[in-house]
Amino acid sequence: AQSVTQLDSQVPVFEEAPVELRCNYSSSVSVYLFWYVQYPNQGLQLLLKYLSGSTLVKGINGFEAEFNKSQTSFHLRKPSVHISDTAEYFCALAGGTSYGKLTFGQGTILTVHP
Amino acid sequence: DSGVTQTPKHLITATGQRVTLRCSPRSGDLSVYWYQQSLDQGLQFLIQYYNGEERAKGNILERFSAQQFPDLHSELNLSSLELGDSALYFCASSVGASSGNTIYFGEGSWLTVV
Repeated sequence: AQSVTQLDSQVPVFEEAPVELRCNYSSSVSVYLFWYVQYPNQGLQLLLKYLSGSTLVKGINGFEAEFNKSQTSFHLRKPSVHISDTAEYFCALAGGTSYGKLTFGQGTILTVHP
Repeated sequence: DSGVTQTPKHLITATGQRVTLRCSPRSGDLSVYWYQQSLDQGLQFLIQYYNGEERAKGNILERFSAQQFPDLHSELNLSSLELGDSALYFCASSVGASSGNTIYFGEGSWLTVV
């Protein structure tokens, strides 16, 4: 069975501060990892994905994530956040016999304060 | 705009009723997924179709059914509705059926059962 755990349900941060949203996963097979963002009353938008190769992945809006196989983690980072980054962030995995379907974590609500 | 179109955006119906949610995938995408998002269960995978055929099944209730038509649009049918079926239902699509394909999400259909 595969699972994703997002370690923080809510992360408050001040504008221009750095942020890290933590994601751990569990799988007995190789996985592909994704981060999606959901703005209020909108659908999910892909931020970045890790398929293979370099473990540091850069995405849209200045976000990046690092795949760590030994720690089974895929943490999302941004060096300086903006008010507009306030949203819910979801870590997800696909792999093995999952036929492309994504298994999502419970989400982390990032709130950026002025 | 992801290119995935869902209708209706909002739907209010009574317990015991039946509703149909419709999805048009991105142009060129052959795979369609349905997800349910609720406060208590988070984002749950329901079902995947690829080029008209069911590819993978998740936590989909027997009261729910789906299909993908020759023109690749998909419908999710929810019957004998219960209060607990109130949720945001997402349709998503990807080019292929296997893991690693980027999955694009629509903006969802809000279902409220009263």
